[in-house]
Amino acid sequence: QLQLQESGSRLVKPSQTLSLTCAVSGGSISNGLYSWSWLRQPPGKGLEWIGYVYHNGITQYNPSLKSRVTISLDKSKNQFSLNLNSVTAADTAVYYCASETGYYHFDYWGQGTLVTVSS
Amino acid sequence: QSALTQPASVSGSPGQSITISCAGAFSDVGGYNYVSWYQHHPGKAPKLMIYEVTNRPSGVSNRFSGSKSGNTASLTISGLQAEDEADYYCSSYTSSGTRCVFGPGTKVTVL
Repeated sequence: QLQLQESGSRLVKPSQTLSLTCAVSGGSISNGLYSWSWLRQPPGKGLEWIGYVYHNGITQYNPSLKSRVTISLDKSKNQFSLNLNSVTAADTAVYYCASETGYYHFDYWGQGTLVTVSS
Repeated sequence: QSALTQPASVSGSPGQSITISCAGAFSDVGGYNYVSWYQHHPGKAPKLMIYEVTNRPSGVSNRFSGSKSGNTASLTISGLQAEDEADYYCSSYTSSGTRCVFGPGTKVTVL
């Protein structure tokens, strides 16, 4: 069973870059069965899919965030990362990493980490 | 504002059955059999309970079942137990370009 754990900066200044990492245990991120996603939930709002990276590095992003997002793999550390640049207060949210093995559903999730954008 | 609509809260007594609805559109819930449901105890990782409308992952109790009619999907919890008290989110593939959309969540309370 996969386990995912988010880590990274919890407080980011406006206009800077939000960076998070998701450590994966119980399976390899190189496994072709999986894709690896980031999602977020702003306070009082619904969940939003940010994007995913496939085992071979192919990515797909939510069009609303595409210009600011990069998701990448680090196979040597069995983890994947999220970078979101030019952040504003609207990017304050609980950020989750998750895995997908099938079609459009998320099998395993991290606990989530609250990232606050504030000066 | 979420793309899918769920009731804010649903409650029931132990042993009862409850149903949570998830209303969408033909571009998501109605047009595709890619509806999933997640259970979330605050502070813990969300857990997949149902995928592709009716399928239960290994290890999920058969007290949880999913269905769909038209543009509305439903999650039914039968034999309600105290441990079922949590937030439940629905999700669906969408052809709108954002790939998947979520409901705002339903808080289930066991009385």
